[in-house]
Amino acid sequence: GNSVTQMEGPVTLSEEAFLTINCTYTATGYPSLFWYVQYPGEGLQLLLKATKADDKGSNKGFEATYRKETTSFHLEKGSVQVSDSAVYFCALSGGSEKLVFGKGTKLTVNP
Amino acid sequence: DAEITQSPRHKITETGRQVTLACHQTWNHNNMFWYRQDLGHGLRLIHYSYGVHDTNKGEVSDGYSVSRSNTEDLPLTLESAASSQTSVYFCASSGIQKAEAFFGQGTRLTVV
Repeated sequence: GNSVTQMEGPVTLSEEAFLTINCTYTATGYPSLFWYVQYPGEGLQLLLKATKADDKGSNKGFEATYRKETTSFHLEKGSVQVSDSAVYFCALSGGSEKLVFGKGTKLTVNP
Repeated sequence: DAEITQSPRHKITETGRQVTLACHQTWNHNNMFWYRQDLGHGLRLIHYSYGVHDTNKGEVSDGYSVSRSNTEDLPLTLESAASSQTSVYFCASSGIQKAEAFFGQGTRLTVV
């Protein structure tokens, strides 16, 4: 079945540091890929998405590229802010409509 | 604006009681999902529905049930609450195939 593996956290960075959160997936066919963000005490919000190979999703300075050859969708940001502190989830949606999630990576950004 | 709402936001119940968590969406989405979120496990799918009168079991469905009598609502029922069901529960909905899902704010359930 479909699955997502993302790097375990927690990740702690200083403000303005570069962020990478790795995500790899296993799926049949051509899934859509997503990054969701969860701020403390809130639900999940869609951060960015990509629906086909080589697509780059971007939002709020975050980027991720759909790499079919490496089955990866790594999240990157060039300069993180304290307000980026949250839990980040990688997810995919394959032939069925169900979303499959990774376990989440908690990011803390210190001033 | 379209939205998805869960109620209650917080609930404390006793072991053995029946509990129902509500989920209501105004996106007119066919697909609705219930997840639970626990430390170390991420989000796990409990039940899901692809349309009215359709329900399916997810990976952690034991002790839970859902029914879908209209497009807007997918209530989640814990038949006999257990301490292992203490968790944060999220409802979500999505439209077309492979599209993103929209999440509610969550319900924090404590079973004592």
